[in-house]
Amino acid sequence: AQKITQTQPGMFVQEKEAVTLDCTYDTSDPSYGLFWYKQPSSGEMIFLIYQGSYDQQNATEGRYSLNFQKARKSANLVISASQLGDSAMYFCAMRERADRGSTLGRLYFGRGTQLTVWP
Amino acid sequence: DTGVSQDPRHKITKRGQNVTFRCDPISEHNRLYWYRQTLGQGPEFLTYFQNEAQLEKSRLLSDRFSAERPKGSFSTLEIQRTEQGDSAMYLCASSLGGVIVYTFGSGTRLTVV
Repeated sequence: AQKITQTQPGMFVQEKEAVTLDCTYDTSDPSYGLFWYKQPSSGEMIFLIYQGSYDQQNATEGRYSLNFQKARKSANLVISASQLGDSAMYFCAMRERADRGSTLGRLYFGRGTQLTVWP
Repeated sequence: DTGVSQDPRHKITKRGQNVTFRCDPISEHNRLYWYRQTLGQGPEFLTYFQNEAQLEKSRLLSDRFSAERPKGSFSTLEIQRTEQGDSAMYLCASSLGGVIVYTFGSGTRLTVV
């Protein structure tokens, strides 16, 4: 089974509007972390936001917020006030607890959502 | 430049040839990761180093693939007898122990013709 599912291959949003990118995850580990990365055409993966499974509040970083619904196993990214420079591929990822509580561990990525911001 | 550096950015090779990629992590980062990203997919984990020790390898890393980090600094990823299915973006990332977030490089795009 897929650990991360992103059901929106592409999304379009007008500049200055808000947009929500969907992500659902699958894990039986009670301790995990959820990430969103942005990948522009240059290829680099740019970290946007992180949510730990035990965090009580939704994470926010500037114009990015993560709508974390633990019971539904969803971790949607909300981008407010979209800008033309936000056009890129967006990936949701999860890290499960590694052995013995270490913070290391592989990331599992979804297939991504291509966001296009139009003027 | 204090980011993760990967070289080359692009590589075109003929099927059957060997290729080697290099990753220079952020200098104080002791952890280094390799991921592979094929067209239309998210990155998939290949292998992980802590200092010079290779601690984890994915089953995606067939015996044609080998990765090293000889002095716990830069790392190389070699693919022997390349196949067309090896065409992908190879991403390197690094992190400091205890820190949750990786820093990724810009990747090496491999095309096997």
